[in-house]
Parts: sequence; C-alpha cells; structure tokens
Amino acid sequence: AQSVSQHNHHVILSEAASLELGCNYSYGGTVNLFWYVQYPGQHLQLLLKYFSGDPLVKGIKGFEAEFIKSKFSFNLRKPSVQWSDTAEYFCAVRQGGADGLTFGKGTHLIIQP
Amino acid sequence: DGGITQSPKYLFRKEGQNVTLSCEQNLNHDAMYWYRQDPGQGLRLIYYSQIVNDFQKGDIAEGYSVSREKKESFPLTVTSAQKNPTAFYLCASRGPGQGFYEQYFGPGTRLTVT
Repeated sequence: AQSVSQHNHHVILSEAASLELGCNYSYGGTVNLFWYVQYPGQHLQLLLKYFSGDPLVKGIKGFEAEFIKSKFSFNLRKPSVQWSDTAEYFCAVRQGGADGLTFGKGTHLIIQP
Repeated sequence: DGGITQSPKYLFRKEGQNVTLSCEQNLNHDAMYWYRQDPGQGLRLIYYSQIVNDFQKGDIAEGYSVSREKKESFPLTVTSAQKNPTAFYLCASRGPGQGFYEQYFGPGTRLTVT
C-alpha cells in the first residue's frame, strides 16, 4: 500500500527564516502530489500540486515544492516565513488513476515573531 | 457562496449509539469523500463516492457506513462497531475529470464518544 512520510512532526522557526518540509512517498508509478495547509480554526486548503511537467511548482503565499522522481520526494519550501505561516502542513499523494488521497501525518509549524 | 458544509461542528455521543455526520456541497461536484483525522496521524480515507448511488470503501471503512442518494449529500454513519470513533471527520468533494484532480474540504465535525 502507498505510504507518505513527513520527516518532521514539529518545526519551530523564527520569522524570516527559510523553510523546507520533507515529504517522501512509496509508490513507484505515476503519482499526483499535493501539499495542503490547515491554519488554526480553518478548513484544510490546497497550497500547491504537481501533476506533470516542470518539477518545480509554485503555490499560494510564496510556497513552492520540487518533485524529485528519483528520490520519491516532494519537499515544500519557502524562502522567508512569516508568523502567519503557523499551521499544520500535510503532504498527500494520489497513486496512478486511483481515487482518494494518501496523506502524511502532518508537520506542525510554529513561527515565532 | 459555493462550498462544503458539515454539521454539527461538535458532536457528543454515548458509546454504543450510532451517529450520522452530515456533509452537503453546492459545488456541483460528482465525487465526495470522507476522511478521519487523528492527532499525529494525518488524514485517512474512510469512504468515497464517484457518483450518486455508488460508493467505495477506503482504507479504514470498518465500523462506518455511507449513502449517496443525492449528488449534494454524502452522510457518514459511525456505527457502534467502530472501536475508536472519537476523531475529527472531514468531508471533501472533487469536480469532474481527472486532469485537475483537486479535493476541496469542509470545516469538519469533531466527534467525541464517551
């Protein structure tokens, strides 16, 4: 079965620091990749997604992610975080033509002002 | 406003009782999903439905049941057979076609069973 690993469960950074959250998946075939964010008290919302083409994808709020097929990875990055980025971040994978997403366990990010 | 509504936001039940969680969408989406979120566990797929009157089991369907009688509605029943029903339940929907697969999530229902 497909699995998704997020390496850091809790991350604490200061404002203006750079961010990289790791995500690895186990399936070797065609995948669609997603990062979702859950701000305190808000709906889960899509940050960015990868389907095909340029492996560097840009999302909302200055986030980007790079798909590295050889490493089965889809790491999320932001050059300079803000206090408002405090949230829980989930990596998710859709395997081939399957329906439904497989999620990682999430990373709780706290940005200190 | 188009979106997904889940009610109620908080739900409390006694052990041994079945409980039904509501999910409604006005996005005209064909596909709908139920996920369960536990602290430190991420989201896990319970059931999904790609079309009215059809649904499929997800990864953790045991102890749950669903129906899809209308396109807009996909209620989830947590039965007394579910061993650990206390969790945060999220409903999602997806528009037609596979080319831009993207799920939209509702605000969730937090169920506590004592």
